Amino acid sequence: DAGVIQSPRHEVTEMGQEVTLRCKPISGHDYLFWYRQTMMRGLELLIYFNNNVPIDDSGMPEDRFSAKMPNASFSTLKIQPSEPRDSAVYFCASTLRDEAFFGQGTRLTVV
Amino acid sequence: SQQGEEDPQALSIQEGENATMNCSYKTSINNLQWYRQNSGRGLVHLILIRSNEREKHSGRLRVTLDTSKKSSSLLITASRAADTASYFCATDAGSYIPTFGRGTSLIVHP
Repeated sequence: DAGVIQSPRHEVTEMGQEVTLRCKPISGHDYLFWYRQTMMRGLELLIYFNNNVPIDDSGMPEDRFSAKMPNASFSTLKIQPSEPRDSAVYFCASTLRDEAFFGQGTRLTVV
Repeated sequence: SQQGEEDPQALSIQEGENATMNCSYKTSINNLQWYRQNSGRGLVHLILIRSNEREKHSGRLRVTLDTSKKSSSLLITASRAADTASYFCATDAGSYIPTFGRGTSLIVHP
């Protein structure tokens, strides 16, 4: 397996635009997590899914953020409209049992 | 809120020295894990220690867990320049959902 795959690796967008981040988890993993990493706040858990079902989205900062997992091999995190304070590295991770496998992250810059 | 907090925030040592990082957490856990993050990359799992274990080894890594003090330590022996990275502990607060601290930034000078 190629591991957790995220796209794009880098995204630069203008304030107000819609941004969609994509994640392909490892096949067979039953949990999928979206994290955001910034210098100020460290690694924050935004939302997680179990067997494609959203379980806890209490970490999603605002209604501008939404996430979906239409099937076991694909998830998206959408920000609409984007703001400069959303600039961060967004990570997707999947787990089977305890060990989390992370993607390489998407570095988002909102100007 | 973040469950685990690493200490120190930054650590600078010479190659060959040992590096010790600590993690403190607040609530009961099923397990505690340590991860490494190289600059610009995702986190990589290093080692997992369960709540009923006190010590675990993996190569040059030694992890201890003291559930009475709600703390863990990661020791890297005979450090190498390639060990330069940020190290995070992750706890699950009993829910199997990894929650991370802010990490310890380790610099190993050649």
